[in-house]
Amino acid sequence: DIQLTQSPSSLSASVGDRVTITCRASQSISSSLNWYQQKPGKAPNLLIYAASNLQSGVPSRFSGSGSGTDFTLTISSLQPEDYATYYCQQSYSTPQTFGQGTKLEIK
Amino acid sequence: QVQLVQSGAEVKKPGASVKVSCKASGYSFTTYDINWVRQVTGQGLEWMGWMNPNSGNTGYAQKFQGRVTITRNTSINTAYMELSSLRSEDTAVYYCARFHSGSGRGNWFDTWGQGTLVTVSS
Repeated sequence: DIQLTQSPSSLSASVGDRVTITCRASQSISSSLNWYQQKPGKAPNLLIYAASNLQSGVPSRFSGSGSGTDFTLTISSLQPEDYATYYCQQSYSTPQTFGQGTKLEIK
Repeated sequence: QVQLVQSGAEVKKPGASVKVSCKASGYSFTTYDINWVRQVTGQGLEWMGWMNPNSGNTGYAQKFQGRVTITRNTSINTAYMELSSLRSEDTAVYYCARFHSGSGRGNWFDTWGQGTLVTVSS
């Protein structure tokens, strides 16, 4: 199975900050990497698909980059509604796997 | 709009089975695979398996092989996930998710159900 390692596991940041979360795969997964946001008690919500494509309806302050084994999710200017847990997920091979999550908290 | 609506919370005893439903609306049900993902409270996301609603073909994570069965009823646009031989460690929120094929760019879960809490307790 392909392992995904996110860093950091938790992060404190202030409104307006630029935030970067990284996801490293245990082997090359081309661009088959997606990012989700999950708020407490809610289902995950797709933010970025295929490494760098913004899902419809997602604010443009979210962006993704990377290919191969190293990927990043960037929030250009943190907003109050962005405090949540973020997960990366690979669809390169079955089984689908997720990173362990990055909890973004208010500083 | 595209929507997946799941059945309500369940409480089961160890050794029992649970069947969770996922009703699709707003799109052609047979066009997209349905996957199931679970989340133990306070933990991460774990993929369980997939189903092609058109063919009925399925695939399961090795961890759940022999215990999980995904089926569908195309006449009512509903997918089902049944998990048997329940144990306390299966207490979790179970999600269905629509699987969007990216035609060579990979695939992604573009729509999720609201989740169903399954509690396994004696």
